[in-house]
Amino acid sequence: SQQGEEDPQALSIQEGENATMNCSYKTSINNLQWYRQNSGRGLVHLILIRSNEREKHSGRLRVTLDTSKKSSSLLITASRAADTASYFCATEGTYKYIFGTGTRLKVLA
Amino acid sequence: GAGVSQSPSNKVTEKGKDVELRCDPISGHTALYWYRQSLGQGLEFLIYFQGNSAPDKSGLPSDRFSAERTGGSVSTLTIQRTQQEDSAVYLCASRWTSGGASTGELFFGEGSRLTVL
Repeated sequence: SQQGEEDPQALSIQEGENATMNCSYKTSINNLQWYRQNSGRGLVHLILIRSNEREKHSGRLRVTLDTSKKSSSLLITASRAADTASYFCATEGTYKYIFGTGTRLKVLA
Repeated sequence: GAGVSQSPSNKVTEKGKDVELRCDPISGHTALYWYRQSLGQGLEFLIYFQGNSAPDKSGLPSDRFSAERTGGSVSTLTIQRTQQEDSAVYLCASRWTSGGASTGELFFGEGSRLTVL
């Protein structure tokens, strides 16, 4: 399978704590993206990091990319109950996007 | 339109029937993707359209699946002789491209949930 792997598969934390999820992939990439999916909804783009970048920030999100290890991590700081969702990484090669298996995050109020 | 629109949002059908799922991408987006998401799973690539180029159909799981994109805009995914294993959420996404450049971001519709009884 070309699908990326994410871990953990599920994560439950208290509001205010940080959440970290990891993504590993198999092929060479142009960029890596993170998406969020609320239950029963479509995916929403969160952040994109290019293959020549190592770290990127957007609000409470911090993404790192290690192309030598073919891995990325997404950190959500000061989590809120509204952050409860599934999070997917997606790698873009030429035009194809390969999605990871997702991390289900639950933030407890 | 303001976003990617998919219809129907829910479809229940009997095994063996044909179904059509529709996607209306964001105006001006030349790239269009179909993905399938089974319950609690990741996204499985089905097909990709880019402008007037031949589509990449490499992800279609069987010859019962087909898709077309008319006029470079609206796309229809057709599943013939549906089977229970076809039950899933079918997601459509579009992307802006110009001269080979792209922002990289995919814009998704809300999906069409298909249940085959």
